Amino acid sequence: AQKVTQAQTEISVVEKEDVTLDCVYETRDTTYYLFWYKQPPSGELVFLIRRNSFDEQNEISGRYSWNFQKSTSSFNFTITASQVVDSAVYFCALSGGTSYGKLTFGQGTILTVHP
Amino acid sequence: DTAVSQTPKYLVTQMGNDKSIKCEQNLGHDTMYWYKQDSKKFLKIMFSYNNKELIINETVPNRFSPKSPDKAHLNLHINSLELGDSAVYFCASSHGGDWNQPQHFGDGTRLSIL
Repeated sequence: AQKVTQAQTEISVVEKEDVTLDCVYETRDTTYYLFWYKQPPSGELVFLIRRNSFDEQNEISGRYSWNFQKSTSSFNFTITASQVVDSAVYFCALSGGTSYGKLTFGQGTILTVHP
Repeated sequence: DTAVSQTPKYLVTQMGNDKSIKCEQNLGHDTMYWYKQDSKKFLKIMFSYNNKELIINETVPNRFSPKSPDKAHLNLHINSLELGDSAVYFCASSHGGDWNQPQHFGDGTRLSIL
C-alpha cells in the first residue's frame, strides 16, 4: 500500500519569508514517482514537479526548490521569498511503478502568505 | 484551447436524482481519470481508463458509472445521488505509455446535493 503524509495542515507566513512544506511517503515499489501539485483559491490543480525514485538531485525553479531524500522517504518543497500569490493548498502525491498512474495524494498543506 | 475541460462547473441537485459530468481533453492523451475531492480537500482516485478500457476501479459505489466513448472523453454518471456525494470531482488525463507522466487536471465540478 502507498501512503503520503503531509504533516503540516496549515502554514501561515508573511510575505518574503521562506517556507518549507514537508512530504513523507511510503511505498513498496522500487520504482516510483513523486509529484507536487498546487491548488490556488480558484480551485484548479496545477502540476509543479515530477521526480522519479532514481533521481535524488535537488531541483530549483525560480523561487521554488525541491529536496528529495530517499533515505528518509521525504520530498520537501521550499518556497523562497514567498508572495501573496503563493497562497494555495499544496499537495504531494506518489505514483508507484505498478499502479497504472494512480496518484496517491497527501492531505494537502494550506499555505497562507500575508502581505 | 482548454486542455482538460469539464462540464458543468457547478451542479446543484436533489437527493435521489441522476446526473452526469462530462470530461474532454484535447492533449492527445490516451489515459483519463476521475478523482473525488471531499470537503476536507482530500483527493482520491475513483477510476481510470486507457484507450477506452477500464484500468483502475477503486472502491466506489456502483451508483457511479464511468463511460469512455473514445480516448478523448471520459464521462461520469451518478445514479440515486446521496448527500455524501457532495464533493468536487476532477477529471485528469495523461500519456498511458508512461504511467507516471504528470496528470493534467480539469477545473473540477462542484457537486452539491440538497
